[in-house]
Amino acid sequence: EADIYQTPRYLVIGTGKKITLECSQTMGHDKMYWYQQDPGMELHLIHYSYGVNSTEKGDLSSESTVSRIRTEHFPLTLESARPSHTSQYLCASGRGGSPETQYFGPGTRLLVL
Amino acid sequence: RKEVEQDPGPFNVPEGATVAFNCTYSNSASQSFFWYRQDCRKEPKLLMSVYSSGNEDGRFTAQLNRASQYISLLIRDSKLSDSATYLCVVNSRSQGNLIFGKGTKLSVKP
Repeated sequence: EADIYQTPRYLVIGTGKKITLECSQTMGHDKMYWYQQDPGMELHLIHYSYGVNSTEKGDLSSESTVSRIRTEHFPLTLESARPSHTSQYLCASGRGGSPETQYFGPGTRLLVL
Repeated sequence: RKEVEQDPGPFNVPEGATVAFNCTYSNSASQSFFWYRQDCRKEPKLLMSVYSSGNEDGRFTAQLNRASQYISLLIRDSKLSDSATYLCVVNSRSQGNLIFGKGTKLSVKP
């Protein structure tokens, strides 16, 4: 089993609130990722990091931001939640190399009212 | 055209059946290929990597055809526990990230 954790697992929050989704991994992986997945749809990469102080936007435009101050920690923040942010957010990490394998956390299901 | 395309299914098969999933990818520069499995309301988990020579892991066989930009997954002797969505995943060296297909849903019935 992969050692990657996400909190909270479920979050219901009102419009306009600031939220931070936590993601931590204990595998020492340099690469970490955030994906967004709506029910029955494919995963879309929204942010990634190749190491400390490195963050990049992914293929899907997102109003969220991320930070990577420590190798094991990659939190995602929404400054002002909106109903359109309702989705599942999946964090993943990988060691790199070829082929690279990514390990996923259990996900955070976010509902913005 | 989507970068990774799969038949969404669902594939409804009886226990013991053999089922095959196909996937095409558009970026000829892609270098690494995978099948992931995702159970309902769970995170994706790596099922197997796909190598040019093809590879087998128990009841699961993966094949890659670079010329046709096509990947397949064959499941023999299906079990009820195989019911899940199977995601075709491609890594492009130029992008360095994984691109996920929408997935093919498999339902194995008694």
